[in-house]
Amino acid sequence: GESVGLHLPTLSVQEGDNSIINCAYSNSASDYFIWYKQESGKGPQFIIDIRSNMDKRQGQRVTVLLNKTVKHLSLQIAATQPGDSAVYFCAESFGNEKLTFGTGTRLTIIP
Amino acid sequence: KAGVTQTPRYLIKTRGQQVTLSCSPISGHRSVSWYQQTPGQGLQFLFEYFSETQRNKGNFPGRFSGRQFSNSRSEMNVSTLELGDSALYLCASTLQGAASHYTFGSGTRLTVV
Repeated sequence: GESVGLHLPTLSVQEGDNSIINCAYSNSASDYFIWYKQESGKGPQFIIDIRSNMDKRQGQRVTVLLNKTVKHLSLQIAATQPGDSAVYFCAESFGNEKLTFGTGTRLTIIP
Repeated sequence: KAGVTQTPRYLIKTRGQQVTLSCSPISGHRSVSWYQQTPGQGLQFLFEYFSETQRNKGNFPGRFSGRQFSNSRSEMNVSTLELGDSALYLCASTLQGAASHYTFGSGTRLTVV
């Protein structure tokens, strides 16, 4: 069935360094991908998205890369800050309908 | 403007009971989607309501149901609760239903004992 998975459940990064969070997806028909950030006690918060006709998209301190050949998605966070500590989820969608989420990666920023 | 409001924030129920959770979307949003979040399964889609009609449904048993009212507020109900129903239940609202524009609430933490 459709599934979105994450390579690493936890990631620790020194403050100021860059971090990369990876995600594998299985539905080659998915045409829309989103990264979410979830802090303790809160719902997921939109970070950045990318459509299947793109391979890279940049936001403020974040970049999403999409490799459709190997069905891989990554989130790069530049110059990490303590406030970046959270669980990050990738999600995929076909036709911009319901989302299929990955299991999440917990990012911890070390001061 | 106010965000997505879910009530209650926390709930403890006993196996076999039923529970109703509420979600008030952002004003003007007509679509409400519900997701279940557990440590083992992550976030899983339950259902989506748009203009009082269920438009999409996930792979959950019939014990999970929902509805939407004319003011777009939505409720979900779980009957005959099982221990495995313990989870964070999240709702997300959008204007027309596009997942790309989800705004999530903070969720209702349900514990079944």
